[in-house]
Amino acid sequence: DTAVSQTPKYLVTQMGNDKSIKCEQNLGHDTMYWYKQDSKKFLKIMFSYNNKELIINETVPNRFSPKSPDKAHLNLHINSLELGDSAVYFCASSPGKNTGELFFGEGSRLTVL
Amino acid sequence: GEDVEQSLFLSVREGDSSVINCTYTDSSSTYLYWYKQEPGAGLQLLTYIFSNMDMKQDQRLTVLLNKKDKHLSLRIADTQTGDSAIYFCAEKTGGSYIPTFGRGTSLIVHP
Repeated sequence: DTAVSQTPKYLVTQMGNDKSIKCEQNLGHDTMYWYKQDSKKFLKIMFSYNNKELIINETVPNRFSPKSPDKAHLNLHINSLELGDSAVYFCASSPGKNTGELFFGEGSRLTVL
Repeated sequence: GEDVEQSLFLSVREGDSSVINCTYTDSSSTYLYWYKQEPGAGLQLLTYIFSNMDMKQDQRLTVLLNKKDKHLSLRIADTQTGDSAIYFCAEKTGGSYIPTFGRGTSLIVHP
């Protein structure tokens, strides 16, 4: 049983397309996150939801839109994809909103051509 | 400078000890973490230490914290090839929702 699962694991698409990445956690956690990891392995927080409420919204282009239909799911939709969006996107969850104990998914590698 | 700094690479021989170092700037950090990322995988929490502790040991892992110098280290005893990964240091203050990650140290273990 995978605790934090993301789909798809790999995504190759053309510039200008719209794509979504889905994330689900079965840990019963209240808080979920999206991180972007660039080619140099730098991790950048993008969004966080706590019980379906957006609590962190970093400086991210508004082409990126998260959606949390329930506290076990956090999806990421990206419009008008650009070359610079190529990265590995990690979903994570935590028991609450004020902890550094994060549980990460396996990542979704997005390649924009 | 960055809030959490680590050297980018460390190479060790199998069976030796590895010491991965990290410095941070926020003196109000309350928790400090070490995460491990294996190739093609997500980050996995290895261990953490409260800021009022100096040391924490967990099997082959020893975490040392020098709060005065804002220096954290992770020692891996008897390093194995399976320990090859990127190790991320992270710190968190009570007032922030999320930890601040360093850029990661790639540990390469060779025979």
